[in-house]
Amino acid sequence: AQSVSQHNHHVILSEAASLELGCNYSYGGTVNLFWYVQYPGQHLQLLLKYFSGDPLVKGIKGFEAEFIKSKFSFNLRKPSVQWSDTAEYFCAVNARGGGADGLTFGKGTHLIIQP
Amino acid sequence: EPEVTQTPSHQVTQMGQEVILRCVPISNHLYFYWYRQILGQKVEFLVSFYNNEISEKSEIFDDQFSVERPDGSNFTLKIRSTKLEDSAMYFCASGGELFYEQYFGPGTRLTVT
Repeated sequence: AQSVSQHNHHVILSEAASLELGCNYSYGGTVNLFWYVQYPGQHLQLLLKYFSGDPLVKGIKGFEAEFIKSKFSFNLRKPSVQWSDTAEYFCAVNARGGGADGLTFGKGTHLIIQP
Repeated sequence: EPEVTQTPSHQVTQMGQEVILRCVPISNHLYFYWYRQILGQKVEFLVSFYNNEISEKSEIFDDQFSVERPDGSNFTLKIRSTKLEDSAMYFCASGGELFYEQYFGPGTRLTVT
């Protein structure tokens, strides 16, 4: 079974600061990796995903993530955050086995951007 | 942009009662999922559904739970006899050809008293 760890449960940054949210997963096989974002009062939205190929993936709103296989990591980054990035961020993984595999989520990181 | 919708947004029920949570997935999607999130905890996978049958289910999805796609548009989660610990936010998701790319609905907050 897979598991996902997000190391930072609460992060507070000022606008224009750089962001890196950690995500590590545990699974012996090949995985698909995701970051979801949940803005206040809204539903989970897919921010970016990694299936294969270039380990540096770019998502919406200037976010990117890098898959480092040797470290079982998929950290989320943004060079300069905005107040509107205040949200809950979830890392998720599923096994690349075909079929309708459920996602395993981390506990989430609550990001607050101060103006 | 197409979205997954869920009704009701909030459901309050008494322990032992049956509840049905409803979801309308994105219209051309083929894969359907239910997740739940107990307050302060992780989002947890419950079940996936494809080709009119359950594809995968977690340990949480016991005999008290069932899913159905009664027509071409709705996808439902039934809890037969609710317990206090079933209180949670329940999310529906759907996926298309890229089945592992899942799109979530806004959730139904279930409160069992």
